[in-house]
Amino acid sequence: DAMVIQNPRYQVTQFGKPVTLSCSQTLNHNVMYWYQQKSSQAPKLLFHYYDKDFNNEADTPDNFQSRRPNTSFCFLDIRSPGLGDAAMYLCATSREQGVTEQFFGPGTRLTVL
Amino acid sequence: QKEVEQDPGPLSVPEGAIVSLNCTYSNSAFQYFMWYRQYSRKGPELLMYTYSSGNKEDGRFTAQVDKSSKYISLFIRDSQPSDSATYLCAMTGMKTSYDKVIFGPGTSLSVIP
Repeated sequence: DAMVIQNPRYQVTQFGKPVTLSCSQTLNHNVMYWYQQKSSQAPKLLFHYYDKDFNNEADTPDNFQSRRPNTSFCFLDIRSPGLGDAAMYLCATSREQGVTEQFFGPGTRLTVL
Repeated sequence: QKEVEQDPGPLSVPEGAIVSLNCTYSNSAFQYFMWYRQYSRKGPELLMYTYSSGNKEDGRFTAQVDKSSKYISLFIRDSQPSDSATYLCAMTGMKTSYDKVIFGPGTSLSVIP
């Protein structure tokens, strides 16, 4: 089945220790998104890629970076995680920009000790 | 004022009840309105979307948009325990150009057998 896969599902890191979250998709979609979702809050868009074009949200901290080496994979790098970065990180894809349906992965739950 | 507001619940109803979930928003530029369902430890999945004002029905689900009041609703008829999830409303502007999707924080629903 075509899908969005995130690894790992649970990640524990130490304060200040870099961490990388992974997302892959078999949908061959052009757009990939990273969202941060804290408990009982709306998913917050961090950035998205349209093909190789990177689009950063204005309020995304510099601590968060992303890479998309090919159509299928996208990575979220948190350079120096703080306690406030503990959250669920959701990867999503859509066929094109401006369409309404996004397909989400199951998320990676990040804990910062 | 947040762009999209949603009562977080939790909402608990008996099986078979009619459920009404609601969102209000402030941005009159929103044209596309969506409802996503998020099961525990999973990513959101699209349930329904509507364009502009009006109603849309899909099985037991009816989405309603009132742009004049900036108010959207999702009705679930004959609710089932399998409907227990968090329901997030989401909305965006013009479909032909990139507008990011703004999510509400979600309403947690429990349907009790």
